[in-house]
Amino acid sequence: DTEVTQTPKHLVMGMTNKKSLKCEQHMGHRAMYWYKQKAKKPPELMFVYSYEKLSINESVPSRFSPECPNSSLLNLHLHALQPEDSALYLCASSLHRGQGIVGEQYFGPGTRLTVT
Amino acid sequence: GIQVEQSPPDLILQEGANSTLRCNFSDSVNNLQWFHQNPWGQLINLFYIPSGTKQNGRLSATTVATERYSLLYISSSQTTDSGVYFCAVVAYTGTASKLTFGTGTRLQVTL
Repeated sequence: DTEVTQTPKHLVMGMTNKKSLKCEQHMGHRAMYWYKQKAKKPPELMFVYSYEKLSINESVPSRFSPECPNSSLLNLHLHALQPEDSALYLCASSLHRGQGIVGEQYFGPGTRLTVT
Repeated sequence: GIQVEQSPPDLILQEGANSTLRCNFSDSVNNLQWFHQNPWGQLINLFYIPSGTKQNGRLSATTVATERYSLLYISSSQTTDSGVYFCAVVAYTGTASKLTFGTGTRLQVTL
């Protein structure tokens, strides 16, 4: 099973709201990722978690706050977003180097976020 | 950082036609992935291919790492092949991996 699930599928939020995106995988992967994809552009890496610890933050604004509560779950907490943050948010997972060959990432279906 | 360019940017095919998509990258990489992004946004893994050639049904991919390019071949195209095709180069960063995506090829297959 190579499934990564994400909820919700769609989210509309105001600039003063607080919301969270959720990602789950049961492949035993210990590396998890958040990407942001604007319309007609490729995905761009935001965060990388390795063994539930944040290992890469690609200079993402603090209004995006990631969290990895356990080895299967990854959250992205959103607060005081701007309209330009509207995008498709994708979660992915892969093996961690300690588990074997690192690299191939598997993606969830994404959350389409609209900030009004 | 590494640059990843894909060509052509857009492609329109009639059903049944064959095509070749190209991915050029500016530096040596640990690995390379090809994805198909369907109209609903889902990224579907096609190939994980650091070098050589792999085949999966009507699709095949070849990566020539020493010359820094990869090719994706689609034969006998079908309307369900429509979408955006991305290559992404893989860099190992300590204990995880980092993907840098190419610019994408938008494919439309018509009847």
